[in-house]
Amino acid sequence: DAGITQSPRYKITETGRQVTLMCHQTWSHSYMFWYRQDLGHGLRLIYYSAAADITDKGEVPDGYVVSRSKTENFPLTLESATRSQTSVYFCASSRGLSSGTDTQYFGPGTRLTVL
Amino acid sequence: AQSVTQLGSHVSVSEGALVLLRCNYSSSVPPYLFWYVQYPNQGLQLLLKYTTGATLVKGINGFEAEFKKSETSFHLTKPSAHMSDAAEYFCAASWTSGSRLTFGEGTQLTVNP
Repeated sequence: DAGITQSPRYKITETGRQVTLMCHQTWSHSYMFWYRQDLGHGLRLIYYSAAADITDKGEVPDGYVVSRSKTENFPLTLESATRSQTSVYFCASSRGLSSGTDTQYFGPGTRLTVL
Repeated sequence: AQSVTQLGSHVSVSEGALVLLRCNYSSSVPPYLFWYVQYPNQGLQLLLKYTTGATLVKGINGFEAEFKKSETSFHLTKPSAHMSDAAEYFCAASWTSGSRLTFGEGTQLTVNP
């Protein structure tokens, strides 16, 4: 049972480069999420997706792009990386219960450093 | 705006002592409430959640939390801390359908021998 995986686990890049972080889940969960974790801010939602081909902005979407062509994959792209995007990125998934009581399951995270 | 506040970014306790981590939400509409734990270099995992029914919720590893609507709180407790409890703890709330969560800033728990 692979669950939810993220790749790469660590990435160093330079300002201005494009970077894609991958997220894959094996549960066929409807919802998928991308968060960034920064000291003093907890987790902030970047983008989320309710199903394949349905995505929506979260709290801090600027500078990021997402797509979801398949239910199991939800890549996050930084089109032109900036130093302020240095962070730990977490992907999560959930079944998407309409009641809002659903549990989110988190991947192990990707530590991104932008030089 | 709806928000979640965790009082104390760092909490330190002795092994065997009571653990109390505080969480308050701001909204006139009570949300569904969650506590997640993050061990070093890992993702978050669910400790417990309150949806409806009994306001005292028991979770994994001996943790429990009580929803108090009058105080807009959902504090996390454990009667006796263990060294393995050292981690970061996040309180989160859901006000909408579709699983969106609003997280608090997190509390780093240190357990001293």
